[in-house]
Amino acid sequence: DIVMTQGALPNPVPSGESASITCQSSKSLLYSDGKTYLNWYLQRPGQSPQLLIYWMSTRASGVSDRFSGSGSGTDFTLKISRVEAEDVGVYYCQQFLEFPRTFGGGTKLELK
Amino acid sequence: QVQLKESGPGLVQPSQTLSLTCTVSGFSLMDYSVHWVRQPPGKGLEWMGRMKYDGDTYYNSALKSRLSISRDTSKSQVFLKMNSLQTEDTAIYYCTGGLYWGQGVMVTVSS
Repeated sequence: DIVMTQGALPNPVPSGESASITCQSSKSLLYSDGKTYLNWYLQRPGQSPQLLIYWMSTRASGVSDRFSGSGSGTDFTLKISRVEAEDVGVYYCQQFLEFPRTFGGGTKLELK
Repeated sequence: QVQLKESGPGLVQPSQTLSLTCTVSGFSLMDYSVHWVRQPPGKGLEWMGRMKYDGDTYYNSALKSRLSISRDTSKSQVFLKMNSLQTEDTAIYYCTGGLYWGQGVMVTVSS
């Protein structure tokens, strides 16, 4: 199975600052079609996960442009610009290159 | 609009079988795949399995011996069945199409 490892945030993050969340995969998620098979989700307290980013850098419909995804085949970053109260929650990366679809352990964002 | 909704018992006894239903609206199960994901209290997300739009299934190998996913396209429903439940199967169970997620159903395994 592909192992997804997420980094921690230096919480709490001051409101209006930027935050970067890292994710590393044990295998390259870059496929021969040129796409990188990585999703980012946000799970706000008490809510279901929400898809933020797919194909490593494509924002899902309705997602703020304050969220951006980048990376290589195995190292990825989700950047949140001008952090707001609604960004609080746990962020998960997930690979969808292979089965089983595996998630990272989650990164909690708290606001100062 | 697209919606997914999980339903099922909130409490299951150890060693018994869990049966959950995911009812979808706003899309056809013959056009999009549906996945099951679970989350133990206070912990992260675990992918369980997938019902593909063509009826093919794929399971997490860690659960494969206990898990079965099926569907009824005429009712727009996807079913999850998992046997030999233990306390560590206590979790919120979600069905999802990737972009859209259900609200989840909390299942507690306890006598």
